[in-house]
Amino acid sequence: GQQLNQSPQSMFIQEGEDVSMNCTSSSIFNTWLWYKQDPGEGPVLLIALYKAGELTSNGRLTAQFGITRKDSFLNISASIPSDVGIYFCAGEENTNAGKSTFGDGTTLTVKP
Amino acid sequence: DAGVTQSPTHLIKTRGQQVTLRCSPKSGHDTVSWYQQALGQGPQFIFQYYEEEERQRGNFPDRFSGHQFPNYSSELNVNALLLGDSALYLCASSVGTLETQYFGPGTRLLVL
Repeated sequence: GQQLNQSPQSMFIQEGEDVSMNCTSSSIFNTWLWYKQDPGEGPVLLIALYKAGELTSNGRLTAQFGITRKDSFLNISASIPSDVGIYFCAGEENTNAGKSTFGDGTTLTVKP
Repeated sequence: DAGVTQSPTHLIKTRGQQVTLRCSPKSGHDTVSWYQQALGQGPQFIFQYYEEEERQRGNFPDRFSGHQFPNYSSELNVNALLLGDSALYLCASSVGTLETQYFGPGTRLLVL
């Protein structure tokens, strides 16, 4: 089956620093999604990407859909303590919302 | 406007037992997907229900079954529970299969 390799597994950064995480796949996806999950909650969608090469921002977050359709990255600029959480990438084939393949997450810790 | 709700929030069962988890989709949503999230991993797609039928299925055994009701709510049933079924079970809803899905807070199942 499809696998997503998400890196790094964890990050410890100082408040105000920029963060970058990425996801690579052995297969092509038509949609890339980035989620954040807080303890005791379900994942919350941050950014959705639908076209190869697409670069999309949501406030301090920027994500890109790789040209090969097999990778994506998420950048967070000027991190703040509430950015703490687990970030997941997910890919979807054939624009079928719901059958998402998830990475294993990047755990972000922000030190004030 | 209520989001996706799931019940119960926590559940403890013993090996061999059966369990039923429930999900009410976000208002206006007609499609429900179920995911299993083991500790330290990303969610894994179990199946998706649309128009009261299972439309897509992930790599899960037949012990995992589901149902969608006319009001779009859904149940996940797991028979003959194994220790490895211990996980957070997430429900996500969307409008059809082409729109963004929204996750509920999950049901944490512990199998002893």
